[in-house]
Amino acid sequence: DAGITQSPRHKVTETGTPVTLRCHQTENHRYMYWYRQDPGHGLRLIHYSYGVKDTDKGEVSDGYSVSRSKTEDFLLTLESATSSQTSVYFCAISESVLAVNEQFFGPGTRLTVL
Amino acid sequence: QQQVKQSPQSLIVQKGGISIINCAYENTAFDYFPWYQQFPGKGPALLIAIRPDVSEKKEGRFTISFNKSAKQFSLHIMDSQPGDSATYFCAARLYTSGTYKYIFGTGTRLKVLA
Repeated sequence: DAGITQSPRHKVTETGTPVTLRCHQTENHRYMYWYRQDPGHGLRLIHYSYGVKDTDKGEVSDGYSVSRSKTEDFLLTLESATSSQTSVYFCAISESVLAVNEQFFGPGTRLTVL
Repeated sequence: QQQVKQSPQSLIVQKGGISIINCAYENTAFDYFPWYQQFPGKGPALLIAIRPDVSEKKEGRFTISFNKSAKQFSLHIMDSQPGDSATYFCAARLYTSGTYKYIFGTGTRLKVLA
């Protein structure tokens, strides 16, 4: 998985609790992305980062926040988890905007909100 | 306008047959069209990709056909094998807000029968 790890890999939590997912890369890639994957919806972009402390919203950002204090780490926080946030979350990385800009995906985190 | 429509949702093919998955888009600003392969429990992995100035790209048994005027592209898997059984996602890349973003299709679950 191109030097990308996600933690935890599985998590069960209760509605209303905060949850933080971590993405760690060893590739020193500039761009990092958080997606959620749901049946019938494919992969939808939640937030992305184009550098340390530089982040922006994707198409399904409501209820999520992110932080990137180091190149290698990109955190996704569910401020108050809801059942609609039950999903599989994938982190992705990519390098230069001038090159092919291939995205590499992590192994995913399966989150269940009860 | 940023959607990528993918069909079919699922596909069953006999070993040795041809698997065909189709995608359509509207936004002419998309500049790169990758296909991803995903096995259960794993993150998506880039399979093959094409730029809109090329009508066809072949890598081994996998071929992308691209029709710019119709705004359609398709993945052909020749001599399909049981090991090809996976979920396939098409995607389209868009440069916006200073970075590249990918819009994904909803996925096609392929099963190749032995």
